[in-house]
Amino acid sequence: QKEVEQDPGPLSVPEGAIVSLNCTYSNSAFQYFMWYRQYSRKGPELLMYTYSSGNKEDGRFTAQVDKSSKYISLFIRDSQPSDSATYLCAMKGNSGGYQKVTFGTGTKLQVIP
Amino acid sequence: DVKVTQSSRYLVKRTGEKVFLECVQDMDHENMFWYRQDPGLGLRLIYFSYDVKMKEKGDIPEGYSVSREKKERFSLILESASTNQTSMYLCASSFWTGEGEQYFGPGTRLTVT
Repeated sequence: QKEVEQDPGPLSVPEGAIVSLNCTYSNSAFQYFMWYRQYSRKGPELLMYTYSSGNKEDGRFTAQVDKSSKYISLFIRDSQPSDSATYLCAMKGNSGGYQKVTFGTGTKLQVIP
Repeated sequence: DVKVTQSSRYLVKRTGEKVFLECVQDMDHENMFWYRQDPGLGLRLIYFSYDVKMKEKGDIPEGYSVSREKKERFSLILESASTNQTSMYLCASSFWTGEGEQYFGPGTRLTVT
């Protein structure tokens, strides 16, 4: 079983829809949670990161962490065609020094105009 | 803004050739990483470096080596390229401590024929 599981999609939604992207994980030591957006043929760009449980909002994006369920989500409100990309979740522990970041395999999102 | 640059966007090499991929970051980050990204397999860590002249093997180091002579520069070397090394190669950097968020370069699409 992979440490981080992410549905590969593709996920197709109409413009303006609310999008929910999710990852589950098995390692209870993970403390930092990140979301990256990757456009086709480009490198991933950091979208949001959160520490431990709770919500974090940035414009149309909300990241949510539920450590009790080992489940993280990224919500996109009022989705736009420019949001069409692959979204990668990533996470790491917090026991000092360098901690390896574990990535999900990514969910491909297509927003239809 | 953090900037991570990679020497080439696209590269075509022949089997058996020695290949150099270079990465430069301008944020004085201690950590630098090389990943390869393949469909369905996600990001896989090849090597990382936490200081000049220091390196650690990642999950798939076989067939690769690295060099870090200066803090801002991290090179990936394919000693004798093979067709199964055809992939997207991504360089990233991060601070030693902190949340672990990594900043990626644009990637190099390497094709070995």
